[in-house]
Amino acid sequence: QKEVEQNSGPLSVPEGAIASLNCTYSDRGSQSFFWYRQYSGKSPELIMFIYSNGDKEDGRFTAQLNKASQYVSLLIRDSQPSDSATYLCALKAAGNKLTFGGGTRVLVKP
Amino acid sequence: GAVVSQHPSWVICKSGTSVKIECRSLDFQATTMFWYRQFPKQSLMLMATSNEGSKATYEQGVEKDKFLINHASLTLSTLTVTSAHPEDSSFYICSAPTSGGLHGTDTQYFGPGTRLTVL
Repeated sequence: QKEVEQNSGPLSVPEGAIASLNCTYSDRGSQSFFWYRQYSGKSPELIMFIYSNGDKEDGRFTAQLNKASQYVSLLIRDSQPSDSATYLCALKAAGNKLTFGGGTRVLVKP
Repeated sequence: GAVVSQHPSWVICKSGTSVKIECRSLDFQATTMFWYRQFPKQSLMLMATSNEGSKATYEQGVEKDKFLINHASLTLSTLTVTSAHPEDSSFYICSAPTSGGLHGTDTQYFGPGTRLTVL
């Protein structure tokens, strides 16, 4: 079992809809979780991080964390074609290392 | 967010030559930096942790004599791919964590990456 699992997609959503991405992890001791967006041919850029159970909102993005169930999710509201990218879930492990999931490819169709 | 730069953004070299890639944290100091490699349509693979003032820590399966890492200062880490071969062609990305922040959460920021093509 991989440490961080994501559905590879592609997740196809119509423009203006909500995109819902999920990520599960195996290490119950994980404390900090991150969502990165990566456009094709570019490096990852940080969208947001979350470390407390519940929801955290930043603009059109909402991260949700449930440590008991060991999942973290990302909602993208009012999806735009420019949101089409691969979204990487990561958790912080020992030594400040990040453990990444395989990423979910999102396609927002006009 | 914090800014991390990489140089060069792309490089083409002949097989057998060495290539040096620089990673700089521009507006913060980083005692630790990370080097990743990414092949097409695959996720990031951590290669090594660069430590300022001490030896780098390599992930399992990564040849330390082939991928030389030097963390020269609190803002600069370099990765040298020695005797490069076509199979080393990849997208190399560095990252650096900022320390502190709200509740002490460290956040990693990535450089723009270096695309290496070995002929």
